[in-house]
Amino acid sequence: GENVEQHPSTLSVQEGDSAVIKCTYSDSASNYFPWYKQELGKGPQLIIDIRSNVGEKKDQRIAVTLNKTAKHFSLHITETQPEDSAVYFCAASLSDGNKLVFGAGTILRVKS
Amino acid sequence: DAGITQSPRHKVTETGTPVTLRCHQTENHRYMYWYRQDPGHGLRLIHYSYGVKDTDKGEVSDGYSVSRSKTEDFLLTLESATSSQTSVYFCAISEAGGNQPQHFGDGTRLSIL
Repeated sequence: GENVEQHPSTLSVQEGDSAVIKCTYSDSASNYFPWYKQELGKGPQLIIDIRSNVGEKKDQRIAVTLNKTAKHFSLHITETQPEDSAVYFCAASLSDGNKLVFGAGTILRVKS
Repeated sequence: DAGITQSPRHKVTETGTPVTLRCHQTENHRYMYWYRQDPGHGLRLIHYSYGVKDTDKGEVSDGYSVSRSKTEDFLLTLESATSSQTSVYFCAISEAGGNQPQHFGDGTRLSIL
């Protein structure tokens, strides 16, 4: 079936450094790619998303890039802060237009 | 925050008992989803609904059933709970399906002993 691979599974960075999380997808018809942040004991929260007609999108310290040819997309967090520590999930829409498929998640730790 | 309430938030039960989890939304969104979250697997779709009385299976639907009799409520039932169904369950809502943002509730932690 369709799947999304996410790397790395864990990532430790020093406060102020950048963090990059990468995902690849298999369904060439995917056209919507959201990213979620999940804090302990909470549900995933949408932080940024991108559609297939756009190559890059930024929102303050967060950016997402999409390479449709290679079928991969990435989350970039600059000037990381301790409050960025969380689990991050990528997802891709499926061709039926009804569902998302999620990556396995990345645990990001920002050390102060 | 999207108006999504999951109940109960925590439940401990025994193998073989029926369990029903409830998701209630106040956003009048058409789509509702049930996911389970397990270490190393991310979020896996159990069932979803695209309207009142309209539901379909996800990738891990065995052992689960759902019902949606009103726009605002989506119920997930484990007819006879097994230890492999111990997990954290999340409900999500979306205005228009997989090509639109999904917003999640805070989850139900279910333990089956």
